[in-house]
Amino acid sequence: SAVISQKPSRDICQRGTSLTIQCQVDSQVTMMFWYRQQPGQSLTLIATANQGSEATYESGFVIDKFPISRPNLTFSTLTVSNMSPEDSSIYLCSVAGDGTDTQYFGPGTRLTVL
Amino acid sequence: EDKVVQSPLSLVVHEGDTVTLNCSYEVTNFRSLLWYKQEKKAPTFLFMLTSSGIEKKSGRLSSILDKKELFSILNITATQTGDSAVYLCAGSTSGTYKYIFGTGTRLKVLA
Repeated sequence: SAVISQKPSRDICQRGTSLTIQCQVDSQVTMMFWYRQQPGQSLTLIATANQGSEATYESGFVIDKFPISRPNLTFSTLTVSNMSPEDSSIYLCSVAGDGTDTQYFGPGTRLTVL
Repeated sequence: EDKVVQSPLSLVVHEGDTVTLNCSYEVTNFRSLLWYKQEKKAPTFLFMLTSSGIEKKSGRLSSILDKKELFSILNITATQTGDSAVYLCAGSTSGTYKYIFGTGTRLKVLA
């Protein structure tokens, strides 16, 4: 499976600010995804990061709040904009290869918004 | 609405015990059922199940899927303290790569 890294590992931010999370994969992958896991909750898909085009967002998530970039097949960023304490979560990127249904997750970013 | 339900929500056992974790699902255009182990932040892949009745096994862990009853179980035998984690199951949807996750079972294994 691919080796996935995320930066930062954790951060504490003030409300109203924005944070960009990076996801780097050691090989080219077709599918990249961003998830959120709020405290005590399970994983919820935010969006699919599409290379060369706009991300596909799930119901309840919008581009203005969670802009995503995918400049190539090994890298993506998720920005959490105008943060509020409700955005305190673990943010995870995941990848899946062509023809496979298995997603592998990055190490996650733990975000706390004060 | 698609959903995945796991039970129990939490479980405390002693080392050496055998545990069975349950996952039921209602997923439109169901493709596969996946199990993950989450110890800190990152879920680690355990199994992917697509066919009914075929057990997948890895060491002390095994899992099976029943597509008629929309159900899967994860068994862990001879538990160790290192098995302490949250175990997540997810249903995937054909054609979208979308996963629907359950809320997880928190397992604590006492020495």
